[in-house]
Amino acid sequence: EIVMTQSPATLSVSPGERAILSCWASQSVTRNLAWYQQKPGQAPRLLIYYASTRAAGIPARFSGSGSGTEFTLTISSLQSEDLAAYFCQQYNNWPLSFGGGTKVDI
Amino acid sequence: EVQLVESGGVLVQPGGSLRLSCAASGFTFSSYAMNWVRQAPGKGLEWVSSISGSGSNTYYADSLKGRFTISRDNSKDTLYLQMNSLRAEDTAIYYCAKPLPGVHGPTDCWGQGTLVTVSS
Repeated sequence: EIVMTQSPATLSVSPGERAILSCWASQSVTRNLAWYQQKPGQAPRLLIYYASTRAAGIPARFSGSGSGTEFTLTISSLQSEDLAAYFCQQYNNWPLSFGGGTKVDI
Repeated sequence: EVQLVESGGVLVQPGGSLRLSCAASGFTFSSYAMNWVRQAPGKGLEWVSSISGSGSNTYYADSLKGRFTISRDNSKDTLYLQMNSLRAEDTAIYYCAKPLPGVHGPTDCWGQGTLVTVSS
């Protein structure tokens, strides 16, 4: 089973600043990596897939990079509505697996 | 509009069984793999199970150890999760989720979730 590790657990960022979230895989997942945003009381929302492809309707301030075992989600200029938890997910191997999440505080 | 509506979540005693349902609409259900993902209170996301569009291929989290069974009825556009030998640690919101075309992982549509509570 591939273990996904996210860092940091909590990130405090001021509006307008850049936020960088990291995700590591215990073995290579090539580029089969997705990022989700989850706001309190809501279902998750897909942000990024194939490591760097933005999902439909996702603002350009969200970008993903990386391959293999190291991945990054960057929010270029944080907005107040970006307060949420962010999860990475690998879908290269069964069983699929999520990281533990990063909570972004503003 | 794509919609996924889960049902069946209730309070159940340890060792009990439960079947969750997910009614899908707004897309060609049989053309898509489908997933169940759960989230324990205050915790992160945990992938539970996936099924191919035809239903012929199923996949499960190792931690479930054969207690859960995913299935689908394409004539009814409905996804199911049969849960047996339930434990306290199975307490969670269970989400039905539709992935992007042609893949199992990246999930672009989620239901509202149904709460399963396992407690005596």
